[in-house]
Amino acid sequence: DSGVTQTPKHLITATGQRVTLRCSPRSGDLSVYWYQQSLDQGLQFLIQYYNGEERAKGNILERFSAQQFPDLHSELNLSSLELGDSALYFCASSVGGGGLPNEQFFGPGTRLTVL
Amino acid sequence: TQLLEQSPQFLSIQEGENLTVYCNSSSVFSSLQWYRQEPGEGPVLLVTVVTGGEVKKLKRLTFQFGDARKDSSLHITAAQPGDTGLYLCAGGPTDSNYQLIWGAGTKLIIKP
Repeated sequence: DSGVTQTPKHLITATGQRVTLRCSPRSGDLSVYWYQQSLDQGLQFLIQYYNGEERAKGNILERFSAQQFPDLHSELNLSSLELGDSALYFCASSVGGGGLPNEQFFGPGTRLTVL
Repeated sequence: TQLLEQSPQFLSIQEGENLTVYCNSSSVFSSLQWYRQEPGEGPVLLVTVVTGGEVKKLKRLTFQFGDARKDSSLHITAAQPGDTGLYLCAGGPTDSNYQLIWGAGTKLIIKP
């Protein structure tokens, strides 16, 4: 158990809909990362937050957005869903304080299926 | 742009054999991490190496960071079916302590 929690574990929805994925980082971690992993693919970095502020963006679509709240949990919002958005979405957290190897700890993921 | 290339992309071997997986770049990294991911689960950190030439052992797994900190290898001795999974390397860029550059992964299958 990494200490990172994600909900829900599974999500099935229809094209055009909007969903919200939730992540709680490990206790003490200030950075949260969101990744997308399609079937048999590597990890695609979406976005990073550090202590409530957006720090870095990767290949995140304009239809997707995220935020990190004062209690450090994070939400990833996916809207106008398309079939191609079906994937595993992982949240990871790290201490993120700099000066350290950036070791990331992953949650169990949310499997999104868009029908 | 810093890139990490992993090879091979896919490896299927018999139980008991040895194997090596490579992670290469033309860029220098401040650290290099290896993760293992099982189907439907999140990646799990196996090891972090930070010093050029560093070697770390984790039971039957040996990790090495290249002298120039541009490459790394993972060697598994006497592979077992439980070693099956996706092995990912991730490098810490020298200009950032907050990001990781990810390799595409090596899918390893150990047949009993």
